[in-house]
Parts: sequence; C-alpha cells; structure tokens
Amino acid sequence: DAKTTQPPSMDCAEGRAANLPCNHSTISGNEYVYWYRQIHSQGPQYIIHGLKNNETNEMASLIITEDRKSSTLILPHATLRDTAVYYCIVSLSLVIYNQGGKLIFGQGTELSVKP
Amino acid sequence: DVKVTQSSRYLVKRTGEKVFLECVQDMDHENMFWYRQDPGLGLRLIYFSYDVKMKEKGDIPEGYSVSREKKERFSLILESASTNQTSMYLCASSSSWEGSPGEQYFGPGTRLTVT
Repeated sequence: DAKTTQPPSMDCAEGRAANLPCNHSTISGNEYVYWYRQIHSQGPQYIIHGLKNNETNEMASLIITEDRKSSTLILPHATLRDTAVYYCIVSLSLVIYNQGGKLIFGQGTELSVKP
Repeated sequence: DVKVTQSSRYLVKRTGEKVFLECVQDMDHENMFWYRQDPGLGLRLIYFSYDVKMKEKGDIPEGYSVSREKKERFSLILESASTNQTSMYLCASSSSWEGSPGEQYFGPGTRLTVT
C-alpha cells in the first residue's frame, strides 16, 4: 500500500516553478523519499531522492520537512515537457530490494504545464 | 546515461500463444525487474532478478516466467497468453552497489494486446 498522499492534479505556467507536495506522516527513520515521473506512454523516470537533508540535482530540488512527515518536489522552471504524472514514494533503500526496499506507485499528481 | 531497452513497443498476440518480452540494460546493473501497469492499479511487480540465473517472484507472478542467462538481459515469458494479460509491461534495472541510491531505471514499455 502506498504510504503517501499527493494532490491528484496541479497546473503550472510555463517558466514558473512547480511545487509538488507529498505527505508521508507514517515514514520511518530509515525510509527514503523517492520521486519519479511518468510522461504519457513512457516508462517512469527517476527524478531525485532523499533521506533527511534537502537535495538538488539537474532536474529538481527536494525539500523534506524537519519532522520528515512531508516533502516538496520543486521543478524550478517548468517547461511543457514536464507535463507528466509525478509519484512520491516512501521506501527502504532500493539497494536492498529483496530485503524490503520496494517501489510502490500510488496515484501520483498529474502536473499540467500550460503556455 | 542508463539505457534500458525493450524489444517491442507494441505487440499483438492471440490467446494461447507463447510470448517473449525481452529487456536489455547497458549499465552492468545487478538487479532487473518486470512490472505490468494497468489503469487504476498502478505498477505491479511480476518478477525480479538480483543476479544471473537468480529470480524471485513479485506480487503477481502467476501466468508468467522469467529467464536471466546474461547479466544485461532479462526476459519475461507468457507461457500461454490470455486476454487478462493485456497490459503495459515495463522493465527496469538498478544497481545493488551499497554506495548507490538504488533507484530503478525503466525502459519505454511494451504495450501487449492479447486477442
């Protein structure tokens, strides 16, 4: 069962920052927050992940609250190509896949970037 | 960049046929996975493999088998295709190196229709 709650849909203007929230109030101390997205008719794409600290890579930033019960994925300058379903997933490290790390995709947030 | 390729994007087969779906990854990843994705049900894990010739059942292995004879290749076999196996099939791979994030990289998917 998915352990996260995300809004079903969001809109964002092209060129603006897209802030996608995720609630994970039952996260345990050794669980990570992973973000994936899926563009229509394509396979899911890994975006970023974090444990406690905020993280940034070339695609996005991940802000995790101090109590770790929620997080926000930030796409700093959204483009039309960022239109996709975004999934927030809580899991043990996926490196230990056969010992508990598991990708469970919930319903995600459908982000529409509009011109 | 990690590249995961799948043998076909679209496939149409008849009920009772034996179906082979092939997946190849080029990043020397130890772990490989097969999922199916259906509307309203999200991604469901069929099988995964953490080494050559090793396999473990996922959540929905019934009606499927797998083969991993080489590290880079993971095959999904439908012994006798049925209409309820009509779905999008997604292959993924990941590293089991302790220092890696363990994120899974997905292929583009194969949309299988069984008539």
